[in-house]
Amino acid sequence: GDSVTQMEGPVTLSEEAFLTINCTYTATGYPSLFWYVQYPGEGLQLLLKATKADDKGSNKGFEATYRKETTSFHLEKGSVQVSDSAVYFCALSPTGAQKLVFGQGTRLTINP
Amino acid sequence: NAGVTQTPKFRVLKTGQSMTLLCAQDMNHEYMYWYRQDPGMGLRLIHYSVGEGTTAKGEVPDGYNVSRLKKQNFLLGLESAAPSQTSVYFCAISTGLKTEAFFGQGTRLTVV
Repeated sequence: GDSVTQMEGPVTLSEEAFLTINCTYTATGYPSLFWYVQYPGEGLQLLLKATKADDKGSNKGFEATYRKETTSFHLEKGSVQVSDSAVYFCALSPTGAQKLVFGQGTRLTINP
Repeated sequence: NAGVTQTPKFRVLKTGQSMTLLCAQDMNHEYMYWYRQDPGMGLRLIHYSVGEGTTAKGEVPDGYNVSRLKKQNFLLGLESAAPSQTSVYFCAISTGLKTEAFFGQGTRLTVV
């Protein structure tokens, strides 16, 4: 079945460090791919998305590229800030399905 | 504009008690979802609805029932709560396939 695997956390970085959170997926057809972010005590918010192969989603300095050949959608940011501390979820929407499938989440902590 | 509102935000139940969680939206989206979030497991789909009067089972439906009598409301019921249902419950809405989902703030439920 459809599934998403994220790199295990927690991840702790210093401010201004480079961030990569790995995400790989298993799905048939051409799913849409998403990164959601959850700040403490809040619901999930869409961070970025990509709907077809080679698309690059970007928002707030974060980027992720839809790589069909490696079934990956890794999240990157060149210089993280303390305010980026949150839990990040990779997700996919399978072809023809009315739902989202989530990875387990990666907790990111940025120290000043 | 509240978007997605969940009621209540916190609840403690005794084993065997029943309760209903309410999700209300003011965005006129067709699709509504109930997820549960457990540590290390990401979000798992309980039930969902693709329109008023329709419901369908998700990944973990056992022990839950749902109803969508009005387009703007999606109710999640626990008939006989069990400690295994201790979790954070999120409602989400979307306009359809492969589109962004908007989430409520969550309901933290503890069953003792």
